[in-house]
Amino acid sequence: EVQLVESGGGLVQPGGSLRLSCAVSGFTFSSYWMSWVRQTPGKGLEWVANIKEGGSEKNYVDSVKGRFTISRDNTKKSLYLQMNSLRVEDTAVYYCARDNSYFWLGSYYDAFDFWGQGTVVTVSS
Amino acid sequence: AIQMTQSPSSLSASVGDRVTIACRASQGIRSDLGWYQQKPGKAPKLLIYAASTLQSGVPSRFSGSGSGTDFTLTISCLQPEDFATYFCLQDYNYPRTFGQGTKVEI
Repeated sequence: EVQLVESGGGLVQPGGSLRLSCAVSGFTFSSYWMSWVRQTPGKGLEWVANIKEGGSEKNYVDSVKGRFTISRDNTKKSLYLQMNSLRVEDTAVYYCARDNSYFWLGSYYDAFDFWGQGTVVTVSS
Repeated sequence: AIQMTQSPSSLSASVGDRVTIACRASQGIRSDLGWYQQKPGKAPKLLIYAASTLQSGVPSRFSGSGSGTDFTLTISCLQPEDFATYFCLQDYNYPRTFGQGTKVEI
């Protein structure tokens, strides 16, 4: 059974740091891209970042570039999100998701086929 | 970034109804679109990828169509467990962007 379990959320002051973790099981972690997605009542769902199977390629949404760093440890089957210089607007539920690539009718399509349960990050003074 | 606009933002329906949700991209995205269902307090669930391909295990009453800028999710015969919020997501380029969601209510 595929499982993704996030941890590390909590309350932090503006300007502070937090490190989220996502422990996975039930699939070959090192064979998949992985993503972080966040959700707020006001802004809805927002893709934050993703990382290639071996960690050599990373992509970020502009609003977190230079502040957040995605990483992974394939030996520990874990995904991480280091969040620095946190802002009130970073308050959200953060999900990790498996970023699967489907080959269909001659093309590749990406989709988040498994998600964790989410961890809450609150940035407030 | 590509903007994804869903309509309506919410709708009221009854069990057995046919429901259609629209998603429009601010530029052409070929068929690089997925649909997700989310219930309160839960993570989203993948329903459809490549605009029209049903994810394994998803009931056949769900279907997707469209390409380019205009897409549709259809639930052919609404079931009680289908009352939820539905999101579209483009995977054409970075940053990936979601629609704002459509809440399907009784």
